[in-house]
Amino acid sequence: GESVGLHLPTLSVQEGDNSIINCAYSNSASDYFIWYKQESGKGPQFIIDIRSNMDKRQGQRVTVLLNKTVKHLSLQIAATQPGDSAVYFCAESVTGGGNKLTFGTGTQLKVEL
Amino acid sequence: GAVVSQHPSWVICKSGTSVKIECRSLDFQATTMFWYRQFPKQSLMLMATSNEGSKATYEQGVEKDKFLINHASLTLSTLTVTSAHPEDSSFYICSARASGRTPYNEQFFGPGTRLTVL
Repeated sequence: GESVGLHLPTLSVQEGDNSIINCAYSNSASDYFIWYKQESGKGPQFIIDIRSNMDKRQGQRVTVLLNKTVKHLSLQIAATQPGDSAVYFCAESVTGGGNKLTFGTGTQLKVEL
Repeated sequence: GAVVSQHPSWVICKSGTSVKIECRSLDFQATTMFWYRQFPKQSLMLMATSNEGSKATYEQGVEKDKFLINHASLTLSTLTVTSAHPEDSSFYICSARASGRTPYNEQFFGPGTRLTVL
C-alpha cells in the first residue's frame, strides 16, 4: 500500500549545527504533511505542518520544505540543541480521506555536545 | 489548549485478561479519535478510527473483536484489549481531531499507554 519513508534511521549532529531530516512519500494524493517529535516513552508532539499549496513554511528554528515533484519532505532544525534529541516522524494525509495519517519510519536525531 | 490525556500511562496484566485504556480530550470536543500502536523502535501504526456515536473503523489486519473501541461521548474514547497475550505488549497512543477546529487533518496526540502482558 501507500507508505511514507525516511532515508536515514539515525542522524548525529553537533550542538549548534543545523539538522536536516528527510522524508519521501509515495501517495501523490496527499495534500497535508506534518512533522512530529517523539521523545522516549511519550506521544508525538506536533512541530510544524505544511499544505500542498506551499513549498516552504517556517516556524521557530524549524523549516519544512515540500517538493511535490519528487514527493519529498524535509525538516530543517537550526542551531540544534540537546533538547532536540528525539525521534522525528513525518506524516501524510489526504483531505477527505477519513482524516487518517500515515506515518513514516522515523529518524533518531542525536545531538552531541 | 488541545490537550489529550490517556489513562493509565502504563499497565501490566496477566495473559488472558482484558485491559481498558481511556483517551480523553480535555479542552475540546472530538468527533473523531484515532488509536495507534507502536512497537519499540518502530513507527506508529493506525489501528482504528473512532467516531462518536458510531462503530469504529478498523484498519486491515486489526481484529475488531480483540480491540474493542467505544466512543460514547465527544471527549472520551476507550480501547479494550480483550484476552491480552504477550504479543499485544506495545505502546498504545490515541489522538483526537477537534470538531471544526481546522479545515485540515490536524490531530492532537495523547501521551501513550505502555501495556505489558506477562
